[in-house]
This record gives sequence, C-alpha cells and structure tokens, in this order.
Amino acid sequence: NAGVTQTPKFQVLKTGQSMTLQCAQDMNHEYMSWYRQDPGMGLRLIHYSVGAGITDQGEVPNGYNVSRSTTEDFPLRLLSAAPSQTSVYFCASSPFSGGAPFFGPGTRLTVL
Amino acid sequence: AQTVTQSQPEMSVQEAETVTLSCTYDTSESDYYLFWYKQPPSRQMILVIRQEAYKQQNATENRFSVNFQKAAKSFSLKISDSQLGDAAMYFCAYRSAGTASKLTFGTGTRLQVTL
Repeated sequence: NAGVTQTPKFQVLKTGQSMTLQCAQDMNHEYMSWYRQDPGMGLRLIHYSVGAGITDQGEVPNGYNVSRSTTEDFPLRLLSAAPSQTSVYFCASSPFSGGAPFFGPGTRLTVL
Repeated sequence: AQTVTQSQPEMSVQEAETVTLSCTYDTSESDYYLFWYKQPPSRQMILVIRQEAYKQQNATENRFSVNFQKAAKSFSLKISDSQLGDAAMYFCAYRSAGTASKLTFGTGTRLQVTL
C-alpha cells in the first residue's frame, strides 16, 4: 500500500492564481481531511469528508473548496491564491471512528 | 469547541535520559481519543501513541508511554531512554469519538536530544 499520497510536494503560486492539491489513499478509508500547518499554530482543519459525496467545513475553510467523488481521492482547490495561504498542507485519512488518522507527506505552498 | 494546550514550546533531554512532554485539553465530552504525533525534519506526521478516553489504563508503545489523567484533562508523553532519532516536533491532538475526520492539535513541543 502507498498509504496517503499528496502531489505536488512543493508549489509556488502568484497571487490570484488557482490550483488543486491532490490527495489519494489506497486503504479504503471512509474519512479524509485537509489541514494546514503554520509556524507556532499547529495543524488546523480546513475541510473534511466522512464519505464519497459528503464534505463539510473545518476551522479555516475560507478560500478553499473540496469535493469527494470517490472514496480514494479528496482534492483541495485554492480558488484565488493569497499570500495568507502560504503554508504546509496535509491530507489525512482514517479507517473508522476509533482509528488514528494517517497523514500524507505534505505539500509546501508559497504564494507570492 | 475543544482546545489543546502544549505549554512547552521547547524541551531538551540528554541521550538515554527520560523526558516528559505536557499536554492539557478542554472538552465537555466524555468519549474521545487523544494522540501524540511526531514530526521530524522530513515533516511527515508519525503516530506515536493513541489513548481512548474510556480506558483507564495508560497506553504504552515501547519507549513511549502516556500519563492520562481524565479528571484533570491532562495527557503527558513520557519518552524513556531517549535517542537522537527522537529529536522532532511533538504534537498532542484530540478527537471526539464520533468525528473521525476532525483532529484538534496543540501548537507543538520541539524536542532536542543532546549527547
């Protein structure tokens, strides 16, 4: 199993550009999430999904969109990038309500 | 809303010694899970240990153990026989029982291991 994969690993955008961060898992997990990590603030939840076709907002959803058309994939879309979205982004998946989330390797995004 | 507090931004321990990282949390729920994650310079988030709130017994994974005090809402991590490879950021995280997708993290503790 590859576990949770994220692409790209690094990305530089200009203000106003849009892009999609990809996340995929091959463990047949129902639950998936996106977090951002900023210095001194730990990880904060952006959006999450409890199954295909079901998504909801987390703590910091503004400026991001998600969709979940399959169990395996959970892409995160930045609609119009802003410098405040410079961060490291992590995708995670969980097998069931009691399991610990598995994290992807992260994407470092810089918005100029 | 739940909050998780890690009051030690940085800690240092000598190789082979024992160190304890602190974590407190605030919740009105009775059923939840607590986790410690390790983040080395590679930035990969690695699960260290997991505790279920309804279990009174403290979780243990090899050199890592927790002191879970439910009434005090405290969840500290003890690392015994510290090794150079233990140097990393350590994050405490909380999750409600019915919300598998939603973790609340503390701000982390950077652990240095010296010779």
